[in-house]
Amino acid sequence: SQTIHQWPATLVQPVGSPLSLECTVEGTSNPNLYWYRQAAGRGLQLLFYSVGIGQISSEVPQNLSASRPQDRQFILSSKKLLLSDSGFYLCAWSHHPGQGAGNTIYFGEGSWLTVV
Amino acid sequence: RKEVEQDPGPFNVPEGATVAFNCTYSNSASQSFFWYRQDCRKEPKLLMSVYSSGNEDGRFTAQLNRASQYISLLIRDSKLSDSATYLCVVILNSGGYQKVTFGTGTKLQVIP
Repeated sequence: SQTIHQWPATLVQPVGSPLSLECTVEGTSNPNLYWYRQAAGRGLQLLFYSVGIGQISSEVPQNLSASRPQDRQFILSSKKLLLSDSGFYLCAWSHHPGQGAGNTIYFGEGSWLTVV
Repeated sequence: RKEVEQDPGPFNVPEGATVAFNCTYSNSASQSFFWYRQDCRKEPKLLMSVYSSGNEDGRFTAQLNRASQYISLLIRDSKLSDSATYLCVVILNSGGYQKVTFGTGTKLQVIP
């Protein structure tokens, strides 16, 4: 069965510090990968998605970046955090549409980021 | 117009009540539809898929109306444990990429 792991679960970072959140998927290959952010009391905002290694698309301009160095690894980074970066970050995966395995999207347990 | 719209609620209902949520979507080419449940400070989890023919899972019934572009979720005999935020999800496959759009969620509070 497929599983998704995301870490760290919580972190408190000062303004201007770097950020690295990591996500890995097990039990599948060539997944679509996603990073979402959910601010307090708000809906899910898609930040980045990837359809393959090294292929990253950004949905919103920001000081965050994403990388996919391996097929099942997705990393969210920032060189200098802003207060507005605080929120709940969720990694997710889905089967590639060409796999014919359905469209369901599955989430990691999330990372709570507080920028102080 | 938002791509996926939901009434944010909150819906406060007594235990045992029946409650219904609706969700509308703007892109008629959308192909897949789901309801997710999100508990406070947790990740969203799949509740059920939604089909035009309607589908039922215990106390939960989901329905898709493609002509009117809305999705519904009916919860019968509400339990305290049903308290959560319910997210409507619409998926469009485009060029190998799944465009996944979430509604902002409808909050349900079941009261003893």
